Order: sequence, then C-alpha cells, then structure tokens
Amino acid sequence: EADIYQTPRYLVIGTGKKITLECSQTMGHDKMYWYQQDPGMELHLIHYSYGVNSTEKGDLSSESTVSRIRTEHFPLTLESARPSHTSQYLCASSDTGTGGEDPPTDTQYFGPGTRLTVL
Amino acid sequence: KNQVEQSPQSLIILEGKNCTLQCNYTVSPFSNLRWYKQDTGRGPVSLTIMTFSENTKSNGRYTATLDADTKQSSLHITASQLSDSASYICVVSDRGSTLGRLYFGRGTQLTVWP
Repeated sequence: EADIYQTPRYLVIGTGKKITLECSQTMGHDKMYWYQQDPGMELHLIHYSYGVNSTEKGDLSSESTVSRIRTEHFPLTLESARPSHTSQYLCASSDTGTGGEDPPTDTQYFGPGTRLTVL
Repeated sequence: KNQVEQSPQSLIILEGKNCTLQCNYTVSPFSNLRWYKQDTGRGPVSLTIMTFSENTKSNGRYTATLDADTKQSSLHITASQLSDSASYICVVSDRGSTLGRLYFGRGTQLTVWP
C-alpha cells in the first residue's frame, strides 16, 4: 500500500470560491503529479514536479496552480472555482531511482483522489 | 499520435468465471506497459508492469501478456471474485519520457456478479 494521502476526499463548494487540494507522500519520492479524471474517461495530467521548487504544466490545460516547497507536499489551488472544474483529482508520486529497480522507478503510486463538485 | 485503446468498455461476468481484457496502443518509442486496477472512488493501483522484452507476467490471479510487435496487451483474470469489480486501466510509457509521463486508456469497467 502506497503512503500517499489526499484531503479532502470529497468537496462541494460554490462558484467563485478559492480551494486548495492537499497531497502528501511519505515515500520521499522526487516526482509528483496531479491528474484530472472524469467518469469513464482516461486520466489527464494537469501538473507535475521533478522536485522541490520545480513545477510544470501537463498535457491538459488547467486553471489550477501548484507549488512544491517541500518534497512530501504538492498542493493544488483553484483561485476561483467554476462548475467546469467539477471532476475527480488524483495525486501521484514516483521515485527517480538509479535503474534496475522492481518495480521500475517510474511506477506511479496514486492517492485516493478528491471528488470536487462546484455548484 | 500516441494512443491507448481498451476493449471492451464494460464487462459483466459471474463469480468464478475467467475473463480477458484487451489493450491496443500506438505509443512509440515503447518503454513499458502497466495494468492498473481502480476501485470506485479510489486511486489506481498497479497490478503488473512489462517491458519490451517481456511477453507475460502474473500477479496472483492476474496474468498480463504483451505482444510488442502487434502493440497489443491483454489482462486475464482467473476465477473471478466479487472484489475484482473495478475499472482496469492500461497505461503505456514511452521511452523518450524521463518524467514518468504515461498514456492512459479509458479503462474496462468489470462487474462480477454473485
């Protein structure tokens, strides 16, 4: 079982509110990721980080922002939530490693997700 | 365009029966292929991972196969249990990626009935 946590698990808020989705991992992994997933659809990468003070946008354009001040923490913030932001948000982490590991070091371990509903 | 296609979209089987899920991909250059299990309302959990040189790998009642020539993979579940009800996601990584960047299928929703 991977040690990666997300809070809150469920969030219902009104339009225009600022929210932060928390993600923490205790495995010391360098890389962390945020994905967005709608029902029956594939995961879409919205943000990732190589390490502290490193953040990049993913494949899917998102109005959210992220920060990586500590290795174990990778919060995602929406400054002004809209109904179009309603979705499930999954956080993941992976190790850099030196090669030859089992499983390979780019195996991503996922948190339980945050189900966000914006009214 | 790198893509991962899974079939069937959904599947219902009776407890104790076997089933096979399919994954076709166009990701190139290929690095590895994973099968994840995602329970409803949870994050995906890795079941198996195969590199280019591997053509079969087992994890308990789960057996994955890979044909790198035809770019196809399958996940076979033996003697299904109610707890196998979940979405099974095929994920392919390209060799050019140094970031763990992955290409996800939409998953096969498996329901096991008693």
